[in-house]
Amino acid sequence: GENVEQHPSTLSVQEGDSAVIKCTYSDSASNYFPWYKQELGKGPQLIIDIRSNVGEKKDQRIAVTLNKTAKHFSLHITETQPEDSAVYFCAATKGELYKLSFGAGTTVTVRA
Amino acid sequence: DGGITQSPKYLFRKEGQNVTLSCEQNLNHDAMYWYRQDPGQGLRLIYYSQIVNDFQKGDIAEGYSVSREKKESFPLTVTSAQKNPTAFYLCASSIYGSYTFGSGTRLTVV
Repeated sequence: GENVEQHPSTLSVQEGDSAVIKCTYSDSASNYFPWYKQELGKGPQLIIDIRSNVGEKKDQRIAVTLNKTAKHFSLHITETQPEDSAVYFCAATKGELYKLSFGAGTTVTVRA
Repeated sequence: DGGITQSPKYLFRKEGQNVTLSCEQNLNHDAMYWYRQDPGQGLRLIYYSQIVNDFQKGDIAEGYSVSREKKESFPLTVTSAQKNPTAFYLCASSIYGSYTFGSGTRLTVV
């Protein structure tokens, strides 16, 4: 099955700086790559996603890039704020019943 | 408001007991999933269901059972055969790949 690796496992940034989380996937047939944000004691929420026919997607302070050749995709958060502190998960699927394979998560802490 | 509801939020189980976690959605989604979350391991798929009266094992189905008698409901039973059940359990539903997660149930064996 699909194997998704996520780095780093923890990330501490100063408020206002950028945060970058990287994921690699193993199955070249994967074509959908969502990112989820999970706050303490809650379920994950979709924050942005990208499909394999697109190289980059941006939504305000959040952007995702995809490199299909290298089989990796990244989440970029600019101008970080304290409310960005959470656990972030990347995921991938090749559309097989939309079963998502998740990375292990990155705990992001934004220091005020 | 459409959404997905998990209950209870916290659950304590004694050794050898079966417990059932509830998951209900009013999003009219066909597909539903159960994930287990352990620290540092991300989300692992336990069971999933595409339609009523049909479900498939995920990557870690041993010691768990599910039913899908109604489109809205996908309860998960953690049986005594699950040797390490203490974890955070997440239910999700999806349509066209877009997932909605519940708030989770934290199960602890006492």
